[in-house]
Amino acid sequence: EVVLTQSPGTLSLSPGERVTLSCRASQPVTNNYLAWFRQKPGQSPRLLIYGASNRDVGVSDKFSGSGSGTDFTLSISRLDPEDFAVYYCQQYGTSPYTFGPGTKVDIK
Amino acid sequence: VQLQESGPGLVRPSETLSLTCTVSGYPISTNPYWGWIRQSPQKGLEWIGSVSQSGDTYYNPSLMRRVTISADTSKNQFSLKLGSVTAADTATYYCVRGLSSPGAAGIWGQGTRVTVSS
Repeated sequence: EVVLTQSPGTLSLSPGERVTLSCRASQPVTNNYLAWFRQKPGQSPRLLIYGASNRDVGVSDKFSGSGSGTDFTLSISRLDPEDFAVYYCQQYGTSPYTFGPGTKVDIK
Repeated sequence: VQLQESGPGLVRPSETLSLTCTVSGYPISTNPYWGWIRQSPQKGLEWIGSVSQSGDTYYNPSLMRRVTISADTSKNQFSLKLGSVTAADTATYYCVRGLSSPGAAGIWGQGTRVTVSS
């Protein structure tokens, strides 16, 4: 099973700041099938990035994903109020498809 | 495309959890994969399994002996059955649409909370 580790666990930031989140896999992610999701309180996760670096339809260009192999990052260029949420990475290249534990971004 | 889960919110231990996902705005027969994911404070997000447009199924090995996922194209629905449930199966269950892989989750339903308790 591919284990995903996300760091840090929690970040306290201010609106307007830039943030970079990390996701590390225990083995290379097949085809770089790595996705990022944002989950706001009381809502379902929402796909932001797929294939490590491709934004989903309708996702703001303030979100960008990068990385390959075992190390991936999600960057948010400017935090808006709706971005204070939990972010999950997921690998969907090797079954069982697994998620990271999440990084919570909250308001300082 | 919209996905909506439905089913009992309370299931007794040792019984079978049954959920249905109704898809609107898109024929399920034309999309590669439809799946189920659950979320609990204890385990986080966990992929349960998927069904392909051809009817092939893919299951998480940790749940394989208890899970059945199937699709009904005439009703534009797909379903989840999880047998012999315990309190550890208490979670919010989401149905999802995937494109490139059985594990992909591009569009999510709103989720349904299922509690296992006597």
